[in-house]
Amino acid sequence: AAGVIQSPRHLIKEKRETATLKCYPIPRHDTVYWYQQGPGQDPQFLISFYEKMQSDKGSIPDRFSAQQFSDYHSELNMSSLELGDSALYFCASSFFTSGVYEQYFGPGTRLTVT
Amino acid sequence: AQSVTQLDSHVSVSEGTPVLLRCNYSSSYSPSLFWYVQHPNKGLQLLLKYTSAATLVKGINGFEAEFKKSETSFHLTKPSAHMSDAAEYFCVVSDRRGAGNMLTFGGGTRLMVKP
Repeated sequence: AAGVIQSPRHLIKEKRETATLKCYPIPRHDTVYWYQQGPGQDPQFLISFYEKMQSDKGSIPDRFSAQQFSDYHSELNMSSLELGDSALYFCASSFFTSGVYEQYFGPGTRLTVT
Repeated sequence: AQSVTQLDSHVSVSEGTPVLLRCNYSSSYSPSLFWYVQHPNKGLQLLLKYTSAATLVKGINGFEAEFKKSETSFHLTKPSAHMSDAAEYFCVVSDRRGAGNMLTFGGGTRLMVKP
C-alpha cells in the first residue's frame, strides 16, 4: 500500500539559511499534518491543512510557513534557521472526509542546522 | 484542551513476559485514542486505535488496549514480549472536533526487552 512520502529524508543547513520540506500524502487523503520531534522529545503538532485550507495551528514559529497544493501535497518552508530547529519533521495524512481519523506518518525529514 | 500522560518513561521486561504501558488522558470532547510505536531512527507506526466502538481494541503484533472512560485510561498490553518490541511507544489523543484533528502525544515510554 502507498505510504506518505517525505523529501528530502536528510537535510543539513547553516544558521540563517532557509529550508523547504515536502510531503506527499497517501492517495485520496485530504488532510495533511506537520509535526516536529526534537531530540529525545515527543512529536509536537505544528500545523494542518484540510482541502488546501489551513485547519489548525499549533506551536509553529512565525519563521515557518506551510501550504497545501491542488494535488494535496504540502510544503513546510523554514526561514532564518536556528540551531534549535534541528529535529525530525514528520508529515502525516488522513482521509478526514471519510471519517478516518487516524493519521499515517511519513518516515520523516531529519533537519540538522549547523 | 486535551492532554496525555504516560505514567512510565521507561519499562523493562524479560522476553516472554507480559507488557503493560500505562496511559491516562484528558479531553473535553469524545476522544479518539491511539498508540503509535517508533523504532530507533524510524517513523511512527500506528499500533491500534479507539474511536468509540468496542472498548477493547486489538492492534498489530499482538498488542491490545482497553478504553476505560471511568478511569480515563487507555493502557497498552501484550501477553508475551518479543525482542523486536523494544522501541518507544506513544499514547496519543485526538479530540475529533473538526478537520483540524491535531494529535497530542504523551511523553513516550521506552520499552526495553531483556533476553
